[in-house]
Amino acid sequence: DTGVSQDPRHKITKRGQNVTFRCDPISEHNRLYWYRQTLGQGPEFLTYFQNEAQLEKSRLLSDRFSAERPKGSFSTLEIQRTEQGDSAMYLCASSLGTGGSEQFFGPGTRLTVL
Amino acid sequence: GEDVEQSLFLSVREGDSSVINCTYTDSSSTYLYWYKQEPGAGLQLLTYIFSNMDMKQDQRLTVLLNKKDKHLSLRIADTQTGDSAIYFCAEDIDTDKLIFGTGTRLQVFP
Repeated sequence: DTGVSQDPRHKITKRGQNVTFRCDPISEHNRLYWYRQTLGQGPEFLTYFQNEAQLEKSRLLSDRFSAERPKGSFSTLEIQRTEQGDSAMYLCASSLGTGGSEQFFGPGTRLTVL
Repeated sequence: GEDVEQSLFLSVREGDSSVINCTYTDSSSTYLYWYKQEPGAGLQLLTYIFSNMDMKQDQRLTVLLNKKDKHLSLRIADTQTGDSAIYFCAEDIDTDKLIFGTGTRLQVFP
């Protein structure tokens, strides 16, 4: 399967714990995006990378959230001191990065904070 | 601000046409998209339209864009039960990120 993959698919954690998610984009894609989707809502943009550079962060991304893409390939999203409000589906997408190029989405990581 | 709005539900009989509507606010969007999300599955791009077009047809799908009113619609002809899903419209902002609507749940009944 050469699509976008995410790991883990599900994560249950207790409030206050740290969690880290991984995204592996399609190999030739230089752009990588993170979105968050809560129940009954559409995905909300969090941040994106052009190669290893993080070019934009949404105001939704509090200082408890950090994302990296160290070698311009896979990316990690870490949430420190999780809160119940962090419970959501975290979606990763990648694209070639040219104007209008399609963003291909991964299956998501569903986070539940107890 | 950036805001994309959709009606929440649509119910149609199998074989009829479905029309899902969307309004957006950012007039600088270059592309507008329709995504489909099925339970337990990722987002799938159905089609997209360039902002200087007013219509695009792709098999059973027809996209209409009224840029003056910032209104986008998706028509699905001969709707099938397999079309039951949540449909999201999205606009690109600076060709960098997507702003999604809240989604329209389409239910197709026999």
